[in-house]
Amino acid sequence: ETGVTQTPRHLVMGMTNKKSLKCEQHLGHNAMYWYKQSAKKPLELMFVYSLEERVENNSVPSRFSPECPNSSHLFLHLHTLQPEDSALYLCASSQGPNLGSGNTIYFGEGSWLTVV
Amino acid sequence: QQPVQSPQAVILREGEDAVINCSSSKALYSVHWYRQKHGEAPVFLMILLKGGEQKGHEKISASFNEKKQQSSLYLTASQLSYSGTYFCGTERSNDYKLSFGAGTTVTVRA
Repeated sequence: ETGVTQTPRHLVMGMTNKKSLKCEQHLGHNAMYWYKQSAKKPLELMFVYSLEERVENNSVPSRFSPECPNSSHLFLHLHTLQPEDSALYLCASSQGPNLGSGNTIYFGEGSWLTVV
Repeated sequence: QQPVQSPQAVILREGEDAVINCSSSKALYSVHWYRQKHGEAPVFLMILLKGGEQKGHEKISASFNEKKQQSSLYLTASQLSYSGTYFCGTERSNDYKLSFGAGTTVTVRA
C-alpha cells in the first residue's frame, strides 16, 4: 500500500473509445503527477498539478486530457488513442511541488493500458 | 535531459555485491533512487542532496558526487528480495521535475 491508489489496474480500449484513469492519494500531498512507462524506455513525465493547477504539460498529445478536481484526486481522460499509447500509466504525488529538500515522489501501482 | 544508468542488467548470487551508476550531463540538485518489482509501483529507496552525501537503506546504500554529476547505488550482500528494476531520478533544480533513467534490472539467484 503506497498511499496512492489507481483504478482501473488494467484497461483495454479501442481506438475510438473514451475512457478515464483515476488516481487518489491519501498522503495529504498537494502535488500530483502522471507518468508514462513503456517497455525499455525511461519513465516519461506527462503532467504535473500543484494545488490543483497544472504546472507542466510535457508536450503530451491532446488525446490525453488531465483533470485535477482537488488535491487528492487526479484523472487522465483518454480519447481516440493509438496502439503506441499502450503502456503503464503511473500516478504519483509529492509534498511539493519542490522536491529535493527531503521531498520525493510516491507512485501508485499503475494502470496497464492496451489500445487495440 | 534524462540520466544514463549502467549497467542495464546484472545477475547476482545471494550474498554478492553490485554497483549501479547514474550519470547526468548537467549539474544536479538531488538524486532519488527507486526499486520496482514486476507489476508493482516503484518504491522510493532514498534521496541524496548535493554535497557528497551518502545514505543507506538496509544493506543498500548510495553516494552522490556532484562534481562528477553521478550517483552510485551499492547493493551489499544481496538478498533475493533485492531483485527488481532500479531507477534513478535526477533533479536539476529545486522544482518538481524528476527525470528518470531507463533502469537497471537486478536478478538475485539463490
